[in-house]
Amino acid sequence: AQSVTQLDSQVPVFEEAPVELRCNYSSSVSVYLFWYVQYPNQGLQLLLKYLSGSTLVKGINGFEAEFNKSQTSFHLRKPSVHISDTAEYFCAVTLAHAGNMLTFGGGTRLMVKP
Amino acid sequence: NAGVTQTPKFRILKIGQSMTLQCTQDMNHNYMYWYRQDPGMGLKLIYYSVGAGITDKGEVPNGYNVSRSTTEDFPLRLELAAPSQTSVYFCASSGQATEAFFGQGTRLTVV
Repeated sequence: AQSVTQLDSQVPVFEEAPVELRCNYSSSVSVYLFWYVQYPNQGLQLLLKYLSGSTLVKGINGFEAEFNKSQTSFHLRKPSVHISDTAEYFCAVTLAHAGNMLTFGGGTRLMVKP
Repeated sequence: NAGVTQTPKFRILKIGQSMTLQCTQDMNHNYMYWYRQDPGMGLKLIYYSVGAGITDKGEVPNGYNVSRSTTEDFPLRLELAAPSQTSVYFCASSGQATEAFFGQGTRLTVV
């Protein structure tokens, strides 16, 4: 079975600074990877996904993530954050090429300060 | 395009009451999930289903039951509500090895 670890439960950052939210997974087979965002009092929406191809994936709102198979990581980055990026971010994984359910990490709360 | 629809959005229950949280999806997804989300605790999987007629327990199934009689619907039943079940509940669905789509959540308070 696969698992996901988000290494930071909270990440405070000043507006316009860069940010990286870390995600590591464990799986013995190929995986698909996802990042979701949850704004206060809302459901989760997809930010970006890696299925195959280029390991650098671009998503909505200027976010991007890089799949690193050797380090089993899928870290999320943004070069300059805005106050509106304050939210909770979830990393998720599913087994590639097979019917399987998604497994989520514990979430990282990004707090952007003015 | 409705996606995943949860009802109700809010509910207050008294201890010992029962209720069903409804979830329906119109994307013909095989996989459906119920999560609960508590402050600072991330998402915890309650039950999931890989297709009509098939359900299985997740991480925190105690106090809940589910059924999956159709592909579209995946209701979550609380039989004897307890204060520990105060939470925000999310239903989600996914296709085979694809991203999950989430409902807007049900905020449940047990008093």
